[in-house]
Amino acid sequence: RKEVEQDPGPFNVPEGATVAFNCTYSNSASQSFFWYRQDCRKEPKLLMSVYSSGNEDGRFTAQLNRASQYISLLIRDSKLSDSATYLCVANDYKLSFGAGTTVTVRA
Amino acid sequence: DTGVSQNPRHKITKRGQNVTFRCDPISEHNRLYWYRQTLGQGPEFLTYFQNEAQLEKSRLLSDRFSAERPKGSFSTLEIQRTEQGDSAMYLCASSLGPEGAQYFGPGTRLLVL
Repeated sequence: RKEVEQDPGPFNVPEGATVAFNCTYSNSASQSFFWYRQDCRKEPKLLMSVYSSGNEDGRFTAQLNRASQYISLLIRDSKLSDSATYLCVANDYKLSFGAGTTVTVRA
Repeated sequence: DTGVSQNPRHKITKRGQNVTFRCDPISEHNRLYWYRQTLGQGPEFLTYFQNEAQLEKSRLLSDRFSAERPKGSFSTLEIQRTEQGDSAMYLCASSLGPEGAQYFGPGTRLLVL
């Protein structure tokens, strides 16, 4: 079983729509959590950290549920530039990545 | 540019040859990580350093792979006797401490013919 499981998608949404997806992690000892964004053939870039209380960064909202070992990301008012693969990450000194959720925003 | 840098960006080699990649982390970061990524998968952890000490190696890191960080600054990853299955993107990341976010370099894309 992989340490982090994600719905691979793809999620194909129109501009302006809201899209949400999640992941689950298996290591209850994981200390911190992140969402990374990866564009085709590029390196992962940090999108945001994820806190138990939930946190927002502009149009992006992340939630963590430690009891269910579940992390979510919601993107509001999608832009064409949001098209990417979103990687869910659990950190127990090394990062454990999900395989990514592909989001395509169409005009 | 104060981000993580990696060289070379691309490497094509023949099976059986040795290759070496270099990573320069963000200067104040004491932790340095190596990952490997293949198409359609997330990055997979290979090894990491705290300063010059190599603290863990994944079972993915066969004895053909060796990594060093001799002065606690840049790191090298060497693959000996390359195989076609070694073809992948090799990513380096650095962080300030164990819980800090990791910042990635642009990667070295290896193709073994």
